[in-house]
Amino acid sequence: GIQVEQSPPDLILQEGANSTLRCNFSDSVNNLQWFHQNPWGQLINLFYIPSGTKQNGRLSATTVATERYSLLYISSSQTTDSGVYFCAAEDTGTASKLTFGTGTRLQVTL
Amino acid sequence: EPEVTQTPSHQVTQMGQEVILRCVPISNHLYFYWYRQILGQKVEFLVSFYNNEISEKSEIFDDQFSVERPDGSNFTLKIRSTKLEDSAMYFCASRGVNPTAEAFFGQGTRLTVV
Repeated sequence: GIQVEQSPPDLILQEGANSTLRCNFSDSVNNLQWFHQNPWGQLINLFYIPSGTKQNGRLSATTVATERYSLLYISSSQTTDSGVYFCAAEDTGTASKLTFGTGTRLQVTL
Repeated sequence: EPEVTQTPSHQVTQMGQEVILRCVPISNHLYFYWYRQILGQKVEFLVSFYNNEISEKSEIFDDQFSVERPDGSNFTLKIRSTKLEDSAMYFCASRGVNPTAEAFFGQGTRLTVV
């Protein structure tokens, strides 16, 4: 099955800083999603982005499907951005499941 | 905004007991999933369900587990004879008519087996 790797595993930022999180995947994808897991464990949908670029406020994401990677940009980070960011990919086989990466744990400090 | 709802949010059970985790997917969705996340680890796929049958299951989803859509709205995961290692956060997810569309996740049920 598809392999999904994320980097960096951990990231500490000061409030106001920008960051880039990376997700590499091993096969062509039907679906690529980014999630934020908050301190209560909830998975919050950030982006559905199998290809192209999307923006939502201070967050944006780009997936370059031909090169098998996706990037999540966080600008002007806030303490509420803290948590774990997961990307998840679904390969182009029969529509089935998302395979999650191991996540990037982000801590934003004052 | 439509959302996937899971109950209970927390459940503590004794080893060997049966538990049923409940999910109400988004109403016009056709594809349903269960995932789990052991504390500190990544989210893992358990099972997918479409047209009233299992379409795929992982190695984790052994005979101890079963899923059911008993009516038009609920989707349940039953764990028979729970083990300590079943302690995890369990997430339900659903997708619409297009099987490659965005998946939406519930808030999770934290299961603790003691």
